[in-house]
Amino acid sequence: DIQMTQSPPSLSASVGDRVTITCRASQSISSYLNWYQQTPGKAPKVLIFAASNLQRGVPLRFSGSGAGTEFALTISSLRPEDSAVYFCQQTDSVPLTFGGGTRVEIK
Amino acid sequence: EEQLVESGGGLVQPGRSLRLSCAASGFTFDDYAMHWVRQAPGKGLEWVSGISWNSDNTDYADSVKGRFTISRDNVRNYVYLQLNSLRTEDTAFYFCAKGGGMVVAGRTWLDSWGQGTLVTVSA
Repeated sequence: DIQMTQSPPSLSASVGDRVTITCRASQSISSYLNWYQQTPGKAPKVLIFAASNLQRGVPLRFSGSGAGTEFALTISSLRPEDSAVYFCQQTDSVPLTFGGGTRVEIK
Repeated sequence: EEQLVESGGGLVQPGRSLRLSCAASGFTFDDYAMHWVRQAPGKGLEWVSGISWNSDNTDYADSVKGRFTISRDNVRNYVYLQLNSLRTEDTAFYFCAKGGGMVVAGRTWLDSWGQGTLVTVSA
């Protein structure tokens, strides 16, 4: 199984800050990497698919990059509504696997 | 508007069975793979199972293989998850999710999710 390791597990940043979350795969997954945002009591919502493609309706301050084993999700200018847990997911092969999540808090 | 509505969760004793259902609407159901993802309270996401558009391909997490079975009805627009031999560690919210394409893996993503149904396994 492919292991997905996210870092950091949590972070605290101020409104307007640039925030980057990283995700590392235990083996190459090409660009088959998605990012999700989950707020309390809600289902996850896809932000980025196939490493760098912005899902329709997602604000432009979110972006994704990477290929192979190293990926990143960047929020260019943090907003209060971005307080959430973010998960990466590989879909290169089954079983599909998620990273452990990164909790983003607003200072 | 795409909508997924799960049902069938509840409190069940270890070793017993449960069947989860997910009603889909607002999209052409048989154009997409479907998935189940679970989340234990306060924990991360775990992909449980996926089924291709035509049911030819089903896949499972190692933790549920041999105990859970995914199926779909492309006439009624439902996807199901049969949970057998339940264990306390299966306690979680179970989400139904729509895949971004026809197959379970590859260039795909989970672009619509239900609200989840809670399964509690306890004596």
